[in-house]
Amino acid sequence: NAGVMQNPRHLVRRRGQEARLRCSPMKGHSHVYWYRQLPEEGLKFMVYLQKENIIDESGMPKERFSAEFPKEGPSILRIQQVVRGDSAAYFCASSPSGTAAEKLFFGSGTQLSVL
Amino acid sequence: AQSVTQLGSHVSVSEGALVLLRCNYSSSVPPYLFWYVQYPNQGLQLLLKYTSAATLVKGINGFEAEFKKSETSFHLTKPSAHMSDAAEYFCAVSVSNTGNQFYFGTGTSLTVIP
Repeated sequence: NAGVMQNPRHLVRRRGQEARLRCSPMKGHSHVYWYRQLPEEGLKFMVYLQKENIIDESGMPKERFSAEFPKEGPSILRIQQVVRGDSAAYFCASSPSGTAAEKLFFGSGTQLSVL
Repeated sequence: AQSVTQLGSHVSVSEGALVLLRCNYSSSVPPYLFWYVQYPNQGLQLLLKYTSAATLVKGINGFEAEFKKSETSFHLTKPSAHMSDAAEYFCAVSVSNTGNQFYFGTGTSLTVIP
């Protein structure tokens, strides 16, 4: 069984460009979470999606950032007009039910570097 | 509101020594508690979780954690450290609400000295 797949593993962008990060959850999982990890800061929640719906986006900046999880295809985290401060590791996690007792399955992350 | 505090961002132990990683949580409702491990350039993997059954939870690789409600703690221990235990460890709390249910601590980097 394939785990949570994230691509690309490494993404380099220049300031002002767009970054698109993809996440394919585990088979049968309809709940997706995006986290950002900065050194010494741990994992910061960004957004929680269920198929075609954004459930909670309270951790996502209001500008330049957006996320989607279409009926077909992977979840996409999109960052427009990237700035150096967006450089971080972005992790996607999925779960089958979205319940509090259910563990999250994590992908290997996308390391975004903004030049 | 829920939150997690991990005391000590860096912990060093000698190989064979006791590992103790601290986690305290804050939650207005009974929480579910998790410990995850992250190896370099990888995503997080579940070590163990507490879901209101036994307060002493055993996980993979010889790790265990004890839920202490009176101390609002969920410290992670392992009797004897192995070199392969060197990694980043994250404590997380989850509650039965809608929306974002998982709150992670800032992590503890464990170094094992030969």
